[in-house]
Amino acid sequence: AQKVTQAQTEISVVEKEDVTLDCVYETRDTTYYLFWYKQPPSGELVFLIRRNSFDEQNEISGRYSWNFQKSTSSFNFTITASQVVDSAVYFCALSTPNNNDMRFGAGTRLTVKP
Amino acid sequence: DTEVTQTPKHLVMGMTNKKSLKCEQHMGHRAMYWYKQKAKKPPELMFVYSYEKLSINESVPSRFSPECPNSSLLNLHLHALQPEDSALYLCASSQGGGRGRETQYFGPGTRLLVL
Repeated sequence: AQKVTQAQTEISVVEKEDVTLDCVYETRDTTYYLFWYKQPPSGELVFLIRRNSFDEQNEISGRYSWNFQKSTSSFNFTITASQVVDSAVYFCALSTPNNNDMRFGAGTRLTVKP
Repeated sequence: DTEVTQTPKHLVMGMTNKKSLKCEQHMGHRAMYWYKQKAKKPPELMFVYSYEKLSINESVPSRFSPECPNSSLLNLHLHALQPEDSALYLCASSQGGGRGRETQYFGPGTRLLVL
């Protein structure tokens, strides 16, 4: 069974604060893929990053960084120096090679206040 | 260019109406998806087309009827919907045949309200 848990339902920060969104996953497959998507109020799901199970290298893209740890089955997302435009719902998702059904977490609603 | 377009952006329909949602991508992707998303919930997979053939139907009621006329276009035909079908309908596409290793790119969605 595949499962993605985003325990933080809502987070509110003030602009310029750093914030980390947690994602914990469960799968019996040894090969799998993890994703983060951003969904602003407009509704579109915007792809942010994909990480393969065999690549534990962390990644940084501007103010965004991701920490993938297989030992704790976590794929956390940090926004540094948050901005109002970062306000959105963020989804973590998991898929496996032969399964079309990408499993989403419940999402974390991030509000960045000016 | 990772653009998936959807029309209309908003749709209001009565329970006896017939309407269609349209999705288009010109990235050469060979898999296309329909998702339904209720408020404050994650997207739920409805259908997957792989190489223009329906490969997954997640036990969706027959009042939703998908169609893939060609590799760039995906339709969702709606008939005799219920108020609980009101939701955001998202289309997505991925490069290959729709296997889990592919990244899905989403459109902006159609907000549907059934009265």
